[in-house]
Amino acid sequence: AQSVTQLDSHVSVSEGTPVLLRCNYSSSYSPSLFWYVQHPNKGLQLLLKYTSAATLVKGINGFEAEFKKSETSFHLTKPSAHMSDAAEYFCVVSEINRAAGNKLTFGGGTRVLVKP
Amino acid sequence: NAGVTQTPKFQVLKTGQSMTLQCAQDMNHNSMYWYRQDPGMGLRLIYYSASEGTTDKGEVPNGYNVSRLNKREFSLRLESAAPSQTSVYFCASSRDGLSYGYTFGSGTRLTVV
Repeated sequence: AQSVTQLDSHVSVSEGTPVLLRCNYSSSYSPSLFWYVQHPNKGLQLLLKYTSAATLVKGINGFEAEFKKSETSFHLTKPSAHMSDAAEYFCVVSEINRAAGNKLTFGGGTRVLVKP
Repeated sequence: NAGVTQTPKFQVLKTGQSMTLQCAQDMNHNSMYWYRQDPGMGLRLIYYSASEGTTDKGEVPNGYNVSRLNKREFSLRLESAAPSQTSVYFCASSRDGLSYGYTFGSGTRLTVV
C-alpha cells in the first residue's frame, strides 16, 4: 500500500524568499511521484513529476523537487516566491496496479501564503 | 483541446434529492476517476474505471454509483444526497503507465442542505 504525508498543512513566506514544501511517502514498489498545484477555486495542475530518471526534477514556474530514496522524501522547493505562488500544493504517489490502472494517492495538501 | 470537462460547475441539492455529475475526456485515455476534495484531507478516490466497461470502488464509495458510458464518459450519481456529501468533486483521466499523472477537470462544487 502507498501513502503520502505532507508535513506542513500551512506555509507562510515573504515574496522573494525561498519556499520549501515537505513530503514523505511510503510505497511497496518503486513509485512515481508528482506535485500538483491548485489555485483558489480552480482545478489541479501538474507542477512536476519524478519517474525514476534524474533525482532532481525541474517543473514549471521555477519549482523543483528532489527524490531521496533513502529518506523516502520528495520535497518541493522554489528559490524565490512570487505572489502568484499562493495556492494549495499536493504531493502525490503513483503505483502501477493492473486492475486499477494508474492509481494515485494524494497527500493532505499544503496551503502556501505569500506575504508582500 | 478540451481535456476533461465536468458539468455542472456548481449545484445545490436538498437532502434526499438525486443527481448525476457528468465527466467527459477527449484524450483517448483508458482510465478515469472520481475524487472528492474536503478541507485538510486532500483528494480521496470515490470510484475509478481502469478501462471501458469496468468500474471499481475507491476509498470512499458509499452513497455513490458510477457508469462508464463509453471510453470518453464517466458519470457519478448520488441517489439520495446527504449533507456529508457536500464537497468539491473532481473527475480525472490518465494514460496507462506508471509515469503518467492525471488530467483533472475543473471540479463541481456541490452543497447539500
